[in-house]
Amino acid sequence: QKEVEQNSGPLSVPEGAIASLNCTYSDRVSQSFFWYRQYSGKSPELIMSIYSNGDKEDGRFTAQLNKASQYVSLLIRDSQPSDSATYLCAVNKKGGGSNYKLTFGKGTLLTVNP
Amino acid sequence: GAVVSQHPSWVICKSGTSVKIECRSLDFQATTMFWYRQFPKQSLMLMATSNEGSKATYEQGVEKDKFLINHASLTLSTLTVTSAHPEDSSFYICSASPRAGANVLTFGAGSRLTVL
Repeated sequence: QKEVEQNSGPLSVPEGAIASLNCTYSDRVSQSFFWYRQYSGKSPELIMSIYSNGDKEDGRFTAQLNKASQYVSLLIRDSQPSDSATYLCAVNKKGGGSNYKLTFGKGTLLTVNP
Repeated sequence: GAVVSQHPSWVICKSGTSVKIECRSLDFQATTMFWYRQFPKQSLMLMATSNEGSKATYEQGVEKDKFLINHASLTLSTLTVTSAHPEDSSFYICSASPRAGANVLTFGAGSRLTVL
């Protein structure tokens, strides 16, 4: 079983719609969860972080975490063409010493159609 | 905000040569930096954790003699791909956290290596 799994997509939504991105993780001791956006040929940029069960909202983005189900999601409201990118789910668990290691999913390609 | 600078952004080299990639934290000190590699349409894979003043910690399957990491100061880590081969062609990305032990990372812009 992969440590972090995402539907690779592509996910296509019309402009203005809600895009829903999902992620599951295998290690129950995972402590922190992140969503990164990566445009083609660029490095990832942090969109949201979530640490406790429930919802966390930031502008048009809402992250949802359910540790019992080992599931984390990202909702993008009022999707814009500029949101078209690959969205990476990342899970952080403690590595050696005090280092925290990020494990990434393969990402979901989102296309927002004008 | 925290900025991580990576250089070069792209490099083309001949098979058998070595390539050095630099990663700098511009406005904070980073005792730990992380090096990732990403092949086309694949996820970011952690290669190694770079620790200032000590040896890097490599992930399973990553050859430490091929991917040399030096973290000589609190703001600079370098990755040297030695005797590069076409299969080493990839997108190499470094990251760092502005707070020691923190789990929010800032990524550099990445370095695209093409080995002919």
